[in-house]
Amino acid sequence: GEDVEQSLFLSVREGDSSVINCTYTDSSSTYLYWYKQEPGAGLQLLTYIFSNMDMKQDQRLTVLLNKKDKHLSLRIADTQTGDSAIYFCAENAAGNMLTFGGGTRLMVKP
Amino acid sequence: KAGVTQTPRYLIKTRGQQVTLSCSPISGHRSVSWYQQTPGQGLQFLFEYFSETQRNKGNFPGRFSGRQFSNSRSEMNVSTLELGDSALYLCASSFGRPGTDTQYFGPGTRLTVL
Repeated sequence: GEDVEQSLFLSVREGDSSVINCTYTDSSSTYLYWYKQEPGAGLQLLTYIFSNMDMKQDQRLTVLLNKKDKHLSLRIADTQTGDSAIYFCAENAAGNMLTFGGGTRLMVKP
Repeated sequence: KAGVTQTPRYLIKTRGQQVTLSCSPISGHRSVSWYQQTPGQGLQFLFEYFSETQRNKGNFPGRFSGRQFSNSRSEMNVSTLELGDSALYLCASSFGRPGTDTQYFGPGTRLTVL
């Protein structure tokens, strides 16, 4: 079955770049997503990438996809304290059902 | 355009009771999916409804059920509550095109079972 894995924790200084990594197992996934969750809130869609793309850039966010290694990363440029949150990657291998990673807690130090 | 709304936001129940949660999707969206989020199991898919029909179902016991109305609003019900049902329940709405859709999440309902 599908299994999406992420590292648990990342700490960076304000102004630095953050890179959050994710590995997935289902090669049939058509879209891969990054969601952000702040304390007490739902999931905010940040960006997504289609499986036939290698890279997608959206303002401060850059998504890289290595389909051969089933590796997905999210780079946040010029990280701000407001970026502190939990970041989830997700794949939609089966219809409209998302399989999520365990989440990476990003802490941004001033 | 209004986002996904969920009611109530917080709920406290006791073991053995039942609960109904509600989700109103973004206008024009016909698919509503439900997810359970717990510290131990993370985010897990419960089920998806599209045009009033359950289209996908996750690996949860039959105590968890749902339905969708003609206006796309959805409810989920949990009967005979157990302590382990304490979780954040999130619903997501989308147009409903499998494999190519983007799901938008509501703020969730925090259920506490005592």
